[in-house]
Amino acid sequence: QVQLVESGGGVVQPGSSLRLSCAASGFTFSTYVMHWVRQAPGKGLEWVAVISPDGTNKYYGDSAKGRFTISRDNSRNTLYLQMNSLRIDDTAVYYCARKGGAATGSHWFDSWGQGTLVTVSS
Amino acid sequence: VVMTQSPATLSVSPGERVTLSCRASQSVGNNLAWYQQKPGQAPRLLIYDAFTGATGIPARFSGSASGTEFTLTIGSLQSEDFAVYYCQQYEKWPLTFGGGTKVEIK
Repeated sequence: QVQLVESGGGVVQPGSSLRLSCAASGFTFSTYVMHWVRQAPGKGLEWVAVISPDGTNKYYGDSAKGRFTISRDNSRNTLYLQMNSLRIDDTAVYYCARKGGAATGSHWFDSWGQGTLVTVSS
Repeated sequence: VVMTQSPATLSVSPGERVTLSCRASQSVGNNLAWYQQKPGQAPRLLIYDAFTGATGIPARFSGSASGTEFTLTIGSLQSEDFAVYYCQQYEKWPLTFGGGTKVEIK
């Protein structure tokens, strides 16, 4: 069965960096578009970034542009999110999610990890 | 695209029929998904393409659309359906979610 397991979260100070990982199993990772979505404590969902199956195409939400980098290692079946210049408002649970639809524009999410909590605090 | 969900909270009794609304600020076609999220859990896909039930989702969950207005209907609310529900559009970038509707026990 499809499994996505995030790791790398923790407590960091404002301005610092953190790299999140998402280990995928149960499907052919290298053929799927992958996303990061986050959720601040007690708040709604916010889309963060997307990456194409081969890693060449990436797109970011406004809050991530210029600070976050999405990447993947298909040989390790792992998705990454490098987060730099972290701010207090980046505090959230970060989920990796798999694009569900086969069609190009079908960016709904059919599988989610359990999330990893990032807390940015001084 | 701004997605607006209403109401923010809905108090209902088990067995009742529930209707949740989601409005898009501009046309998103039928590129709309619904998710259910329970406390401490990741979201779960319920509906995609506005109408299509995801794999394994009970038939009591259904989606409909009229222009920029989307509706998630739960035919007869079960105890396990008390949760927060989110809509999400994937017509335009950036992808955006609604603020959620919490369905609580009356």
